Amino acid sequence: TQLLEQSPQFLSIQEGENLTVYCNSSSVFSSLQWYRQEPGEGPVLLVTVVTGGEVKKLKRLTFQFGDARKDSSLHITAAQPGDTGLYLCAGEKGNTPLVFGKGTRLSVIA
Amino acid sequence: DSGVTQTPKHLITATGQRVTLRCSPRSGDLSVYWYQQSLDQGLQFLIQYYNGEERAKGNILERFSAQQFPDLHSELNLSSLELGDSALYFCASSVLSGGAPDEQYFGPGTRLTVT
Repeated sequence: TQLLEQSPQFLSIQEGENLTVYCNSSSVFSSLQWYRQEPGEGPVLLVTVVTGGEVKKLKRLTFQFGDARKDSSLHITAAQPGDTGLYLCAGEKGNTPLVFGKGTRLSVIA
Repeated sequence: DSGVTQTPKHLITATGQRVTLRCSPRSGDLSVYWYQQSLDQGLQFLIQYYNGEERAKGNILERFSAQQFPDLHSELNLSSLELGDSALYFCASSVLSGGAPDEQYFGPGTRLTVT
């Protein structure tokens, strides 16, 4: 059973379009992190959200943590080819290691 | 650059062999994690060390072992290798201070190919 479900699995869009990817769970997390991974490289931490309902912005990326701290979304405005990559969410529960979702593979076509 | 280093970058070996992957964490980070990533399984947590002690174990096979040394670098040993062990192996490190989110910083990975 996958604790964190990410959707969609794959997304291919044109440059300039907006998109939202989701990270859902039936479990409550103390924090949730988003990472981006490019082919052949390690995941890079983008943001950490801690408070239910929290919204964080990183340039064209907007991250939201659900009110109940069970889910999160990542919205990208005016996507660019440089946004291409695998987006992973990871949830933290107490003292247990991070649990990663399987990711959304985004391709932005110029 | 995350500050986490991993060697080697690539490793090609035969079935039945044993290999050692090495990781140096970011300066000041006491916690080291090992992950395996394959196309169909995503990022799988293997094991965590904190200041030299094993802290958590995930889906690590008995053929695999790890340790963290006094200088905080870590090694992952993979033995009796099988074709299915071919994957990317990542090391990550974090400060892991109580009460703060466990933000992990990943190394560039080691790509292991078992032939």
